[in-house]
Amino acid sequence: GAVVSQHPSWVICKSGTSVKIECRSLDFQATTMFWYRQFPKQSLMLMATSNEGSKATYEQGVEKDKFLINHASLTLSTLTVTSAHPEDSSFYICSAPSKVVTQYFGPGTRLTVL
Amino acid sequence: SQQGEEDPQALSIQEGENATMNCSYKTSINNLQWYRQNSGRGLVHLILIRSNEREKHSGRLRVTLDTSKKSSSLLITASRAADTASYFCAMPSGNTPLVFGKGTRLSVIA
Repeated sequence: GAVVSQHPSWVICKSGTSVKIECRSLDFQATTMFWYRQFPKQSLMLMATSNEGSKATYEQGVEKDKFLINHASLTLSTLTVTSAHPEDSSFYICSAPSKVVTQYFGPGTRLTVL
Repeated sequence: SQQGEEDPQALSIQEGENATMNCSYKTSINNLQWYRQNSGRGLVHLILIRSNEREKHSGRLRVTLDTSKKSSSLLITASRAADTASYFCAMPSGNTPLVFGKGTRLSVIA
């Protein structure tokens, strides 16, 4: 069935560096993808909607210059956390809409900023 | 999409027992879904129930929907340690992103 993958599954970086997370739809096309962030024992919070061929739309309170989103193709969206700081440490999950079950979720990326 | 509210927030049971968790919502829906999230993992779609359905089964899962009360329940029968996870309900609306509540954290003790 349809699968959404993320890479990397976990990353540790130093404060001030940038980290890129990839989200791919493996056997279906996704003109839209969603990025969520989840802190420990909290729910998933929608960060932004990634749109193929156009700018991403960000939820209130999410800095677009901090979290750069690029939807380069119908199967790939990337989230870049720029100048990461320890407070950006979180679990980032992407998803892609599907006609079958509405949204398929990726396995998530654990970001730890030292 | 609207956000559901899961109840209880946490549930601890012995292996073999049944686990029941509930979801309440505020406005009318087309369908309701339940997702499972294992610790540190993505969400896995479990089951979808449409607004004109009252009950649906999938393996050890049983979902009910009461649109008059705007509520749904998820029953996991004969629970296993592997069922330990957080469970979320979601109510999709078109292509808008799903919105999630805090979920129910289920612990199944062997």
